[in-house]
Amino acid sequence: QQQVKQSPQSLIVQKGGISIINCAYENTAFDYFPWYQQFPGKGPALLIAIRPDVSEKKEGRFTISFNKSAKQFSLHIMDSQPGDSATYFCAASASGGSYIPTFGRGTSLIVHP
Amino acid sequence: NAGVTQTPKFQVLKTGQSMTLQCAQDMNHNSMYWYRQDPGMGLRLIYYSASEGTTDKGEVPNGYNVSRLNKREFSLRLESAAPSQTSVYFCASSLAGGELFFGEGSRLTVL
Repeated sequence: QQQVKQSPQSLIVQKGGISIINCAYENTAFDYFPWYQQFPGKGPALLIAIRPDVSEKKEGRFTISFNKSAKQFSLHIMDSQPGDSATYFCAASASGGSYIPTFGRGTSLIVHP
Repeated sequence: NAGVTQTPKFQVLKTGQSMTLQCAQDMNHNSMYWYRQDPGMGLRLIYYSASEGTTDKGEVPNGYNVSRLNKREFSLRLESAAPSQTSVYFCASSLAGGELFFGEGSRLTVL
């Protein structure tokens, strides 16, 4: 059973465009939703995270939108750049449990110059 | 700043051989994790340790054992490697409920 479903699996965007990656979760106990960015040959690193008390969080060109009723959250990358080309993972965890995050399967983003 | 250090970075094994992946963190984190990453499968939790002295199974523990040697170190052992264990292995650490800090990975090939 996949608790966090991520789509699309791959995404190709032109420089300057908007990249959108979506995730849906099932466990209503989840209350921490981070996004990780992974460059080839490296480990994932935290990009941005949100808790369900807000519907949106923005850090520079990266925005998380959160819809609690639909149990969905998404990452928007504005003005996408070739340097954004990476694999992106959404995740979710529950503070009431052991905080173990469940990851989506990842999205490979390619931004063409 | 070392963060999370994994060794070795690359390893080739023959079926049936054993090996241990080492992981150490210098951030005084309580929790440590071992994940494997396979194409199209994302990051799957093998084992985790919520605190020194405790370990628990994750999603895919079969064929692996772990040891939380002290607060800094968390090792992953393959007793009898199988081709299905060919993967990239990541160690991570965190404070409870927060950001995971990952190592750079250990790429294992089992022939």
